[in-house]
Amino acid sequence: DAGVIQSPRHEVTEMGQEVTLRCKPISGHDYLFWYRQTMMRGLELLIYFNNNVPIDDSGMPEDRFSAKMPNASFSTLKIQPSEPRDSAVYFCASAPYSGGSTDTQYFGPGTRLTVL
Amino acid sequence: RKEVEQDPGPFNVPEGATVAFNCTYSNSASQSFFWYRQDCRKEPKLLMSVYSSGNEDGRFTAQLNRASQYISLLIRDSKLSDSATYLCVCMDSNYQLIWGAGTKLIIKP
Repeated sequence: DAGVIQSPRHEVTEMGQEVTLRCKPISGHDYLFWYRQTMMRGLELLIYFNNNVPIDDSGMPEDRFSAKMPNASFSTLKIQPSEPRDSAVYFCASAPYSGGSTDTQYFGPGTRLTVL
Repeated sequence: RKEVEQDPGPFNVPEGATVAFNCTYSNSASQSFFWYRQDCRKEPKLLMSVYSSGNEDGRFTAQLNRASQYISLLIRDSKLSDSATYLCVCMDSNYQLIWGAGTKLIIKP
């Protein structure tokens, strides 16, 4: 398996533009997570899905952020409009079902977003 | 107060030395605990789970103290390749992972 795949790996955009980040989880994993990591705030969970259904989006900063998972092999995180404070590394992770818990999470390489 | 707290470091340690990190958690209902490792500009990867009885994996030993609500990671005979950020992670009763901010370790030759 290729592991969790994210695209793009780097994104530089201007304030106000729409940004779409993409993720392909490991085949067979039931859970998908979107995280954001900055030096100041560390790793923050934004939202997670179980079997394509959003379970907890309480970490989504505001209405400018939205996430979808139209099928088991694809998810997007969209920021519209983007702001400089959104600059961060965005990680997608997936995990198999493990007796009621998610146990080990497998991370993608991340998307490094810079909003100018 | 953060739910999971770690000393951010950096810990500067000579090669071959033993180094230990502690991590405290505030939620007494936390069920499972993990140490992840993150190399510079890379994604986090699971290093080891932490079991109640303590567990060892080669040069790495993890301990859990539920009474005092802390977990620890001990690295013996440290190698240059151990240089990384070590993230302490707790799973709460809702099966959500709560992440510490990480402790940066630098092994010097």
